Amino acid sequence: EDQVTQSPEALRLQEGESSSLNCSYTVSGLRGLFWYRQDPGKGPEFLFTLYSAGEEKEKERLKATLTKKESFLHITAPKPEDSATYLCAVEETSGSRLTFGEGTQLTVNP
Amino acid sequence: DAGVTQSPTHLIKTRGQHVTLRCSPISGHKSVSWYQQVLGQGPQFIFQYYEKEERGRGNFPDRFSARQFPNYSSELNVNALLLGDSALYLCASSLDAGYGYTFGSGTRLTVV
Repeated sequence: EDQVTQSPEALRLQEGESSSLNCSYTVSGLRGLFWYRQDPGKGPEFLFTLYSAGEEKEKERLKATLTKKESFLHITAPKPEDSATYLCAVEETSGSRLTFGEGTQLTVNP
Repeated sequence: DAGVTQSPTHLIKTRGQHVTLRCSPISGHKSVSWYQQVLGQGPQFIFQYYEKEERGRGNFPDRFSARQFPNYSSELNVNALLLGDSALYLCASSLDAGYGYTFGSGTRLTVV
């Protein structure tokens, strides 16, 4: 059974203070690892898909990396508008579903 | 382009009642998936449909059912509602497996 564990559960940063979020996963065969951002009461907003170990993707202040066991979402010089819950999910090669972690709630204080 | 559209946005039902939630996927997307998100947790997979056929089912009781129509829109039905069914129900559309999933804003269901 696929498993996804995210840490920390919650993270509070000062504006400009860089940090990383972790996503550890267990899957029989990885089709893709997804990062989403979710604001309160809204649906998840797609950020990145990573397909193989060593792959990296960047978007503004965010950079996602992937190894065979985990993924990191690095946030460089965050701003208050980056405050949200960040969700990690995996899709296995034989499946047709996303398995999500519990998310990391990020708060960036001005 | 319109994104994934879900209706209604909010719903309050009484225990034991039935509810139908609706989803219109992005134009050209043939796959629709349903997820349940309880407050403070990650979304949990309920169903996936592709070309009107059920492709996957999560660990949910038979009270949950879904279908996909010829225009690729979808309905999620829940019978005999329980208090524990209170959640945000999310619909996601995709071209097919492996092409990424776009989520709607969800339907907030409250069972009282």
